[in-house]
Amino acid sequence: DIQMTQSPSTLSASVGDRVTITCRASLYITTWLAWYQQKPGKAPKLLIYKASSLESGVPSRFSGSGSGTEFTLTISSLQPDDFATYYCQQYNIYPWTFGQGTKVEIK
Amino acid sequence: QVQLQESGPGLVKSSQTLSLTCTVSGGSITSGGYLWSWIRQLPGRGLEWIGYINYSGSDYYNPSLMSRVTISVDTSKSQFSLKVTSVTAADTAVYYCARVGYNLGRSGYFDSWGQGTLVTVSS
Repeated sequence: DIQMTQSPSTLSASVGDRVTITCRASLYITTWLAWYQQKPGKAPKLLIYKASSLESGVPSRFSGSGSGTEFTLTISSLQPDDFATYYCQQYNIYPWTFGQGTKVEIK
Repeated sequence: QVQLQESGPGLVKSSQTLSLTCTVSGGSITSGGYLWSWIRQLPGRGLEWIGYINYSGSDYYNPSLMSRVTISVDTSKSQFSLKVTSVTAADTAVYYCARVGYNLGRSGYFDSWGQGTLVTVSS
């Protein structure tokens, strides 16, 4: 299975901060990567697919980049609604696999 | 806007079969060439993809669970279902159903999710 490793595991930030989360794949996955946001007790919500394509309705402060084995999710100016856990997921090779998550906390 | 809703028992005894159903509304389960998937989230841990099915019944499973998992579809009811046999405490999780989106001919990301249902396996 392809291992997806996110860093950091936890991130403390303030409203207005620029936040970057990294996801590394154990094998080459081109750009077949998605990012999700999950809040406590809720289902994950798709933010980004194909590494950098913004899902409809997702604020433009979210952006994704990368290809191959290294990817980033950036929040340009952190808003109160953005404190959550973020997951990456590869869909290049079966089985589709997720990262372990990055929790964005209030500093 | 498609909506998905999981249903089924929240408590299953060890060694028995876990059965869940996902009802799709706001869109046809047969249209658009979508795949329909199950994902679970183990307590305090990450997400695990279980498998998917399309409207015609073609399916694919995560090898880690393949020997115990079956996904089926009932287009007349706009539902797809999950069965996991011989469950243990390790199968205790929140189970989500989801639609698999596609772009540029490649499927694999989950663009709509159910709210999730907690299934606890008891001894």
